[in-house]
Formats: sequence, C-alpha cells, structure tokens
Amino acid sequence: DAKTTQPTSMDCAEGRAANLPCNHSTISGNEYVYWYRQIHSQGPQYIIHGLKNNETNEMASLIITEDRKSSTLILPHATLRDTAVYYCIVRVADTGNQFYFGTGTSLTVIP
Amino acid sequence: DAGITQSPRYKITETGRQVTLMCHQTWSHSYMFWYRQDLGHGLRLIYYSAAADITDKGEVPDGYVVSRSKTENFPLTLESATRSQTSVYFCASSDYEGQFFGPGTRLTVL
Repeated sequence: DAKTTQPTSMDCAEGRAANLPCNHSTISGNEYVYWYRQIHSQGPQYIIHGLKNNETNEMASLIITEDRKSSTLILPHATLRDTAVYYCIVRVADTGNQFYFGTGTSLTVIP
Repeated sequence: DAGITQSPRYKITETGRQVTLMCHQTWSHSYMFWYRQDLGHGLRLIYYSAAADITDKGEVPDGYVVSRSKTENFPLTLESATRSQTSVYFCASSDYEGQFFGPGTRLTVL
C-alpha cells in the first residue's frame, strides 16, 4: 500500500471549514483514498473514501487532485466534537486488506 | 444491537495469566481484524481472519492466539500475559466500504 504524508497537527476555529491535506504521491491506479478519525480513547471511525472523483457525504467532502497524488478532507463547519486524530490511508478496495494507520493529523477545533 | 462490540472494555491482569478478549459483529462480514494501539503510536495489526476457521498473522502476532469458529466472533487470547502487552486493543470487521471498529479494550498487565 502507498505511503501517505500528513501534517502532525492543525487548528481550526469552530464553525469554520477544516481542510486536512494528505500527500500520496506513490498511489497506484487501483488504490482508494480512505479517511478515518479517532476521537480520544475511541475506535477509529470511517469518514469517507474515494478513487478519483470528489466525494461528499453527511460528514465530510473528499477532494482528490487530478493526478491523484494528493487529497484534502474538508469538514465544512467544524465543531468541538470534530477534535480528533485524522488518518489518511490509501489501499486497494479489498475487504481483506489491512489498513495501515500512520500517526495522522491531530486536529484541534478552537472555540 | 447491530454493529461490533468488544468485551471486556477494561481489564487488569497479572504477568503470566491467560486473558481472552472478545469481539462480536452482527454484520456477517467475512473479514475481521485485531489491532493494538500503544500510547503515541498508530494501530498495529496483530491477527486477521478471512472467514470462519481461516486466520493469519499480522505485524505483531507474537504472544497472541486467535480462533474463529463462527463468523460473528473473533476472540483474541494472550496465553501468558506480559507487561509489554499493556495496550488498547481494537477489533474491526470490513466490507467494501472500509473497516469498522469496536470501542476497544483497555488492557493493563501488572
């Protein structure tokens, strides 16, 4: 699975959009970009995933560059409950493949 | 309740004792996984299972044993617990949308 690079930490003002970047320059054509988050002491929570088109769901939007070498997770109106560690993972969409969780980005939403 | 559950949520044990952590999912997902997470580290895969009676090692399998006699259950056993196995343990199951995690078991080995 391709390696990802994320900033160690970020701050965001409550109510503003949080934009979390991820670089995955070695991504393969059949690898998806997944985003998970982990709120303190809880299990990781699935947020969104995509292959090459931008995706949106009730939690977030995922913007993938045309060359697929980077992506951005957007939380449109960050709340204090969005404070968490966010993980960007690239992998083949196969149910048996392990998810390699790196150190992620620690997002702090500031009141 | 639908979803994935783990028990116990908290466990304190002593070095050398056998401990079993339970994981149960109601989705009938074929694949299930066990991870451990240590302070300041990401998740590391211990074992995974592709289906009932099929299991395989992950990154850090030493000191652990798994079994999967039924699709919905995937217990993890520490046969002789060591202090280095103090950690938070997460179970997960997966479909094509991704992996879905349980709430975790916080294990302390004294």
